Amino acid sequence: DAKTTQPPSMDCAEGRAANLPCNHSTISGNEYVYWYRQIHSQGPQYIIHGLKNNETNEMASLIITEDRKSSTLILPHATLRDTAVYYCIVSPQYGNKLVFGAGTILRVKS
Amino acid sequence: EAQVTQNPRYLITVTGKKLTVTCSQNMNHEYMSWYRQDPGLGLRQIYYSMNVEVTDKGDVPEGYKVSRKEKRNFPLILESPSPNQTSLYFCASSLQGGSTFFGQGTRLTVV
Repeated sequence: DAKTTQPPSMDCAEGRAANLPCNHSTISGNEYVYWYRQIHSQGPQYIIHGLKNNETNEMASLIITEDRKSSTLILPHATLRDTAVYYCIVSPQYGNKLVFGAGTILRVKS
Repeated sequence: EAQVTQNPRYLITVTGKKLTVTCSQNMNHEYMSWYRQDPGLGLRQIYYSMNVEVTDKGDVPEGYKVSRKEKRNFPLILESPSPNQTSLYFCASSLQGGSTFFGQGTRLTVV
């Protein structure tokens, strides 16, 4: 069973920041927070992951609360091509099984 | 270019006719796995492999077989396909503890 809770859908205006929340209140000490996205029916695409510090890469930023019970994925300047289902997953770093929940459908609108 | 390649991308077959979906990765990853995706059920892991000759069941292994004779290849075998195996299938690979790369998917229809 997925160990995360995400809103089913969100809208975002093109060019604005998209902030996607995720609750993972039962996360354990050795589990990381991973974000993937799936555009239409393509294979899921890795975005970012983190343990407890905030992380940033060329695609997004990940903000994890101090108690690690929730996190937010930030797409700083959303484009129409960012319309996708976004999955928040918790998993041990040295375990490779990904348990996908329903994710959040992000619709970026012009 | 780093990638996971699945073939075929689309397949329509009849009940009971054995088929194989191939998967190959060019990143020297130890870990490979197969997922299926169904409406309302999301992505579920079928089988995984930690390395050559090491495979294990995922959450929905019934009706499937896999083999890992070489590090780069991880074929999914349906010995006797049934209509309930109609689904979108994804192969994936990763280094231990690293990010996971997915193939583009195989849409299988069993009639």
